[in-house]
Amino acid sequence: DGGITQSPKYLFRKEGQNVTLSCEQNLNHDAMYWYRQDPGQGLRLIYYSQIVNDFQKGDIAEGYSVSREKKESFPLTVTSAQKNPTAFYLCASSTRQGRRQETQYFGPGTRLLVL
Amino acid sequence: QQQVKQSPQSLIVQKGGISIINCAYENTAFDYFPWYQQFPGKGPALLIAIRPDVSEKKEGRFTISFNKSAKQFSLHIMDSQPGDSATYFCAAYDGTASKLTFGTGTRLQVTL
Repeated sequence: DGGITQSPKYLFRKEGQNVTLSCEQNLNHDAMYWYRQDPGQGLRLIYYSQIVNDFQKGDIAEGYSVSREKKESFPLTVTSAQKNPTAFYLCASSTRQGRRQETQYFGPGTRLLVL
Repeated sequence: QQQVKQSPQSLIVQKGGISIINCAYENTAFDYFPWYQQFPGKGPALLIAIRPDVSEKKEGRFTISFNKSAKQFSLHIMDSQPGDSATYFCAAYDGTASKLTFGTGTRLQVTL
C-alpha cells in the first residue's frame, strides 16, 4: 500500500521547545516537500528536497530546519525561533521524471498546536 | 505577493447546481495548472489538471476552462453534490523552477 505517512497527527509544543514532524514515503519519489497551511492563506512552501542529502529553502523557511538522509524520509523540525508555529503541516512528494514531477502527492498532515 | 489569485474564498451551492471557482496568474513561466481537493483534516488530493495548450479539460462532472491570453483558469463542478463539499485549491507549476504555487483556497459547501 503505497503512500505518504505523517506522524503524529496532532503535536503540542511548549514555548521554547523544538519539535520534529515525521514524513515517510514509499512511492520511490526523489523529491519531497513541506508546506504550511493557515486558514485563508493556502499552502506555503517551507523546504523542499530534490535528492538525498540536498534541500533548499522555500518561501517561509525561517524558524524551520530539515534533513534528508534517506530517500524515504524528510523530517521537519519546528524550532523555538518560529514564533507562530500553530498551523497544519503537510508533507508531499513527487517523482523527478519529466512531466510527472508536476504532480505532488500529499500526506494526511500534522496539526501543531502551542500550549 | 500572491502569484496565483483565487476567488471566491467561500461558496455555497445547492445540490444539482454548478460550482465555479476562478483563478488568475501573472507568471508566464507557469506551464501546468492542477486543481486539488481537500477534505477537513486531510491532505489535498489531485482532482484534475490542464496544460496551457488546451482551452478545456473535462473529467466526469469536473471541467477546467483555461484562457491563456487572460491568464485565467476556472474549475466548474456540474451537478454539485453534498459529497463535493471541501476546500478546493488551484495551483500553477513553474517547470523551470520546479515549483508549485497554490491559490488561497475556496471552501465549497453544497446544500441539500
